[in-house]
Amino acid sequence: RKEVEQDPGPFNVPEGATVAFNCTYSNSASQSFFWYRQDCRKEPKLLMSVYSSGNEDGRFTAQLNRASQYISLLIRDSKLSDSATYLCVVNPGGAGSYQLTFGKGTKLSVIP
Amino acid sequence: DVKVTQSSRYLVKRTGEKVFLECVQDMDHENMFWYRQDPGLGLRLIYFSYDVKMKEKGDIPEGYSVSREKKERFSLILESASTNQTSMYLCASRGLLKETQYFGPGTRLLVL
Repeated sequence: RKEVEQDPGPFNVPEGATVAFNCTYSNSASQSFFWYRQDCRKEPKLLMSVYSSGNEDGRFTAQLNRASQYISLLIRDSKLSDSATYLCVVNPGGAGSYQLTFGKGTKLSVIP
Repeated sequence: DVKVTQSSRYLVKRTGEKVFLECVQDMDHENMFWYRQDPGLGLRLIYFSYDVKMKEKGDIPEGYSVSREKKERFSLILESASTNQTSMYLCASRGLLKETQYFGPGTRLLVL
């Protein structure tokens, strides 16, 4: 089983739609979770951290389900500027660990 | 503002050449990383450094070496470039207190 798995997409959605991505991770001891965003031909950038209690930042909501070992990202009222690849990222060792494990990404295209 | 810079955005080299990729960060971060990113394979860790003159192998170190003589600079060296090293190379850094990795803009390397 791959360490971090994501549906590669693409997800093609109209402006204003709500879209959700899921990501599963294999290491049950993983401590920290993140969503990064990568625009075409650019570097990845942190979108948001994912906490056990879930967290929301404007139109973006991230949830963690430890029992089922998955993380989700919900985008409401999609904008054209949301078009990007979204990377699910897991730190299997927690804050003291140096390494992050990256999923291969889910591509989102928001269509006018 | 956080800044990670890489010496070249695009690079074309011939098989067998020695290639140096430079990365500089201005955030006084202890940890630095080199990844390569290929379509369908995602981000893969080549090497990382947790302090000056310290280095650790990542998931795919074969054919690469690194150097960290100063805290702000982390170099990736391809001793004898091969065509299968054609890729996007991304450098990242992080401080000790936060898990967020900050990426440079990447170097697209083509080995002919």
